[in-house]
Amino acid sequence: EVQLLESGGGLVQPGGSLRLSCAASQFTFSNYGLTHGMTWVRQAPGKGLEWVSTISGDGVATFYADSVKGRFTISRDTSKKMLYLQMSGLRAEDTALYYCATATGLDFWGQGTLVTVSS
Amino acid sequence: DIQMTQSPSSLSASVGDRVIITCRASQAISNNLAWHQQKPGKAPKSLIHAASILQSGVPSRFSGRGSGAEYTLTITILEADDFATYFCQQYYTFPLTFGPGTTVEIK
Repeated sequence: EVQLLESGGGLVQPGGSLRLSCAASQFTFSNYGLTHGMTWVRQAPGKGLEWVSTISGDGVATFYADSVKGRFTISRDTSKKMLYLQMSGLRAEDTALYYCATATGLDFWGQGTLVTVSS
Repeated sequence: DIQMTQSPSSLSASVGDRVIITCRASQAISNNLAWHQQKPGKAPKSLIHAASILQSGVPSRFSGRGSGAEYTLTITILEADDFATYFCQQYYTFPLTFGPGTTVEIK
């Protein structure tokens, strides 16, 4: 079964930066990622799910929610089976649990990493 | 953006009950619809993709159907392990969007 493990969350001041990582195991990341792409989704405390960003199967195309466009960058390293989310210009409203998930149908989810933006 | 709505927002049910959750998109999404289950303090788990295809390992008491802009998730013979929040999600186009969730509580 696919396993995804996020890391990199923490407490950061408004305007700060953070890079989230998602390690994939138990599946052929290159094959799956090449075919299906990978996605970041977030969930603010007590709230619903919000799509953040997706990278295409071939890594060429990236897609972002309007709320993060220009501030967040999604990338991947297939040789390391890693997905990343570079976040800058962080705001209080970015505080959330961040999940990585496979493809756009989100067939598999990680356990999440918490990002708290506060002074 | 495609808006997703769900009904009801919450429901109380007993073990053994049949539960139906409805999800409506603001436009047709060609069965590009997934259902996810989330228990308190846990990550979501995918139950169904392509509107009606169960993910591997998901019990057969879960089923999905629908077309166009309207979809349903049915849980036949509700079990104690099924008390959770259920989200629908469209992946027909970006931005990917989710329904607000339906919480299934114990009566």
